[in-house]
Amino acid sequence: QKEVEQDPGPLSVPEGAIVSLNCTYSNSAFQYFMWYRQYSRKGPELLMYTYSSGNKEDGRFTAQVDKSSKYISLFIRDSQPSDSATYLCAMKSGGYNKLIFGAGTRLAVHP
Amino acid sequence: DAGVTQSPTHLIKTRGQQVTLRCSPKSGHDTVSWYQQALGQGPQFIFQYYEEEERQRGNFPDRFSGHQFPNYSSELNVNALLLGDSALYLCASSRPGLAAPGAYNEQFFGPGTRLTVL
Repeated sequence: QKEVEQDPGPLSVPEGAIVSLNCTYSNSAFQYFMWYRQYSRKGPELLMYTYSSGNKEDGRFTAQVDKSSKYISLFIRDSQPSDSATYLCAMKSGGYNKLIFGAGTRLAVHP
Repeated sequence: DAGVTQSPTHLIKTRGQQVTLRCSPKSGHDTVSWYQQALGQGPQFIFQYYEEEERQRGNFPDRFSGHQFPNYSSELNVNALLLGDSALYLCASSRPGLAAPGAYNEQFFGPGTRLTVL
């Protein structure tokens, strides 16, 4: 079993839709939960991070972490064609520890 | 600020050959991590360099080795290439020290080097 599970999609939605992306994990030591966005032929870029459980909002993006269920989500409101990319969840425990990524979900937002 | 840069962009090698990939970290960063991203997969951690030493290593064989130079740039070397080594190799850099509790010391990624092994 992988430490982080993420449905690879692809997910195709119309412009303006609300998108929900999810990951589950098995390692209870994870404390930091990140969402990276990766456009084709580019490196991942950080969208948001959450420490421990709770919600975090940044513009059209909301990240949620439920440590009791080992489940994290990213919601995108009013999705735009420019949001079309692969979304990677990533996690780490404290200190200098490495990032553990999910497989990534490919999202396509069509006009 | 040029961000994290990697070279070359693309590389084609044959099985059994050796390859060296290069990374220059973002200005002010001293820690470099390398990841392998196979097609359709998320990045997998290879190793991390700090103060010219390998600080952490993922589950990769000894064929994968690295180096960090005094200017913080880094190289990834892969010997005896296998077909399965074909992937996007990503370099990420982060700033010195640990972040405050609850804060994330962001890893900034470069565009990657696409390695194809034939």
